[in-house]
Amino acid sequence: RKEVEQDPGPFNVPEGATVAFNCTYSNSASQSFFWYRQDCRKEPKLLMSVYSSGNEDGRFTAQLNRASQYISLLIRDSKLSDSATYLCVVPSPLSGNTGKLIFGQGTTLQVKP
Amino acid sequence: DAGVIQSPRHEVTEMGQEVTLRCKPISGHDYLFWYRQTMMRGLELLIYFNNNVPIDDSGMPEDRFSAKMPNASFSTLKIQPSEPRDSAVYFCASRPGTVGYQPQHFGDGTRLSIL
Repeated sequence: RKEVEQDPGPFNVPEGATVAFNCTYSNSASQSFFWYRQDCRKEPKLLMSVYSSGNEDGRFTAQLNRASQYISLLIRDSKLSDSATYLCVVPSPLSGNTGKLIFGQGTTLQVKP
Repeated sequence: DAGVIQSPRHEVTEMGQEVTLRCKPISGHDYLFWYRQTMMRGLELLIYFNNNVPIDDSGMPEDRFSAKMPNASFSTLKIQPSEPRDSAVYFCASRPGTVGYQPQHFGDGTRLSIL
């Protein structure tokens, strides 16, 4: 099993739709998680941090299910500007607090007018 | 505040040439990371530093790759000799050394093409 696994998509949705991505991780000791957003030909940028059961920021909600070892990202009322690749990121549990992160392959979202 | 600064933004060179990528982390950040991103392999960690000391270089593909961090505000990633398969986007990232898991902040990247 890969350390971090995502459905690559692409997810094609109309504006205003609600879309959810899942990400599974292999190591049950992982304590905190991140979602990064990467636009085409740009650098990854932090979207949300998830330190407990979940986090909400406007139209974006991240949820953590430790028992099943997955993290989800929900986007409500999709906008054209949400089109991007969303990277699920898990700290490497072997590295303690050294900050080594494991990046998923990313899920591509395309929001259509 | 200035973010992570990388140079050059683009580099096109012929195989066999030496390539040097540069990075200036965010001031005060104790950790610096070098990544490589390709369509096939996604984002891969090459090496990272803590307080200018290399901690883990297990991601460095081979001896042709080397990285240095002579001081807290500057790091280089060197490829010598370069090969076409080294073509990728190379990102530098930094993060604070505070307690707990902190996200990393990325530079704009260097797009490297080896002909």
